[in-house]
Amino acid sequence: GAVVSQHPSRVICKSGTSVKIECRSLDFQATTMFWYRQFPKKSLMLMATSNEGSKATYEQGVEKDKFLINHASLTLSTLTVTSAHPEDSSFYICISRDEANYGYTFGSGTRLTVV
Amino acid sequence: KQEVTQIPAALSVPEGENLVLNCSFTDSAIYNLQWFRQDPGKGLTSLLLIQSSQREQTSGRLNASLDKSSGRSTLYIAASQPGDSATYLCAVRNAGNNRKLIWGLGTSLAVNP
Repeated sequence: GAVVSQHPSRVICKSGTSVKIECRSLDFQATTMFWYRQFPKKSLMLMATSNEGSKATYEQGVEKDKFLINHASLTLSTLTVTSAHPEDSSFYICISRDEANYGYTFGSGTRLTVV
Repeated sequence: KQEVTQIPAALSVPEGENLVLNCSFTDSAIYNLQWFRQDPGKGLTSLLLIQSSQREQTSGRLNASLDKSSGRSTLYIAASQPGDSATYLCAVRNAGNNRKLIWGLGTSLAVNP
C-alpha cells in the first residue's frame, strides 16, 4: 500500500538553528500533504496544507516565515523550522491523502526537541 | 464548524474486557470517518476507515460503527489485550472539497494484565 517515509524520526537542535523534516511518498503521488504538530496530551493540530507546485496554505496562527513548507514534487514535501525555539519542541507529522483509497497515509512523525 | 469529541478521555480496564470508545461530531455532512491508534511518542496507525455510506467496518477484534444522523461513531475492541494500550483517535473528513481532517482529542486506553 501507499507509504510515506518521514525523516528524521528524532532530532535535537540548538535554539536559533533550523531543522528540515522530509516526507517522501513511496509508490504513489502525493498531490496534497498536510503538516500537523502535536503537543503533549493534545490532539493533532493542522499547521498547513501543501499542494505540489504551489504555495502552502497556512492555518491561522501559524507563522509561514517560521515554518517553511516546500512541495516541489509529487513525491517530496519538506517542512523547515527556522530559528528554532524551545517552544517549537513538538511532534510533527505529515499526512497525505491516499487518492486510491480515499483515506490518509501517514509519515511516522518527527520528535523535535529544541534546547 | 465541525467539532469532534471523544469520550472518555482515558480508560483503564483489565485484560480480556470488551470495551467501547465513543466519537461524536457536530456536522453530519461528512465524507468519511477514520479511527487511528497512536503509541506514545510515535506516529499514527490507521485502524478503520468508514465511508459516509457505510454503517460499520471490522478488522480482527476491532469493529467501528457510524451513525451519521446522530453524529456518532463507536470503536468496539473485543477481548482487550495489554498490547492494545495506546491513544485512540478519531478523525472526520467533511464532505466537499475541504480535505482537512478534524481530529478528536483521543481516548487514552490502558489495558492491565
